[in-house]
Amino acid sequence: GQQLNQSPQSMFIQEGEDVSMNCTSSSIFNTWLWYKQDPGEGPVLLIALYKAGELTSNGRLTAQFGITRKDSFLNISASIPSDVGIYFCAGPPGAGSYQLTFGKGTKLSVIP
Amino acid sequence: DAGVTQSPTHLIKTRGQQVTLRCSPKSGHDTVSWYQQALGQGPQFIFQYYEEEERQRGNFPDRFSGHQFPNYSSELNVNALLLGDSALYLCASSQKRLVLQYFGPGTRLTVL
Repeated sequence: GQQLNQSPQSMFIQEGEDVSMNCTSSSIFNTWLWYKQDPGEGPVLLIALYKAGELTSNGRLTAQFGITRKDSFLNISASIPSDVGIYFCAGPPGAGSYQLTFGKGTKLSVIP
Repeated sequence: DAGVTQSPTHLIKTRGQQVTLRCSPKSGHDTVSWYQQALGQGPQFIFQYYEEEERQRGNFPDRFSGHQFPNYSSELNVNALLLGDSALYLCASSQKRLVLQYFGPGTRLTVL
């Protein structure tokens, strides 16, 4: 089935640092979604991207829809302790699909 | 504005038993999708309900079945439980099958 590869798998950063993570696919996606999940809770939608090259921000978070349509990037500026969690990229695998395929996530730890 | 709600929050069953999980979608949403999330993995799509019918199904056996009610709420049923069914079960809702899906807090199922 469709695979989304997220990197890095995990990262430890100092509070105040900027963070970058990415998501790649072997095939084209028409929509990219980024979610954050805290332990024992459901994923929370952060950003949705619908067009190649699109750059969208949500507070300190900025995400980009890659121009090849096979990748997406998420950046977090000036990280704070509450940014800790697992970040997932997701998207519908192909035209006419209404389901979401998820990557395995990037686990972010912030050192105060 | 009520978000997606799920019940129960936790459940413990033994192998061979049957379980029913419940989901109420976000206000204004009419589509419910169910996902299974194993530990350390991203959510995996089970199926989607819209207009009280199963519209799309992931790679899950027939032991997994569901239902959607006229008020858009939904149930997920799993028969003949296996140890491998232990996971966090997530419900997501959207409007008119749009891929912009909002998740509930999940039900943690443990099969002993």
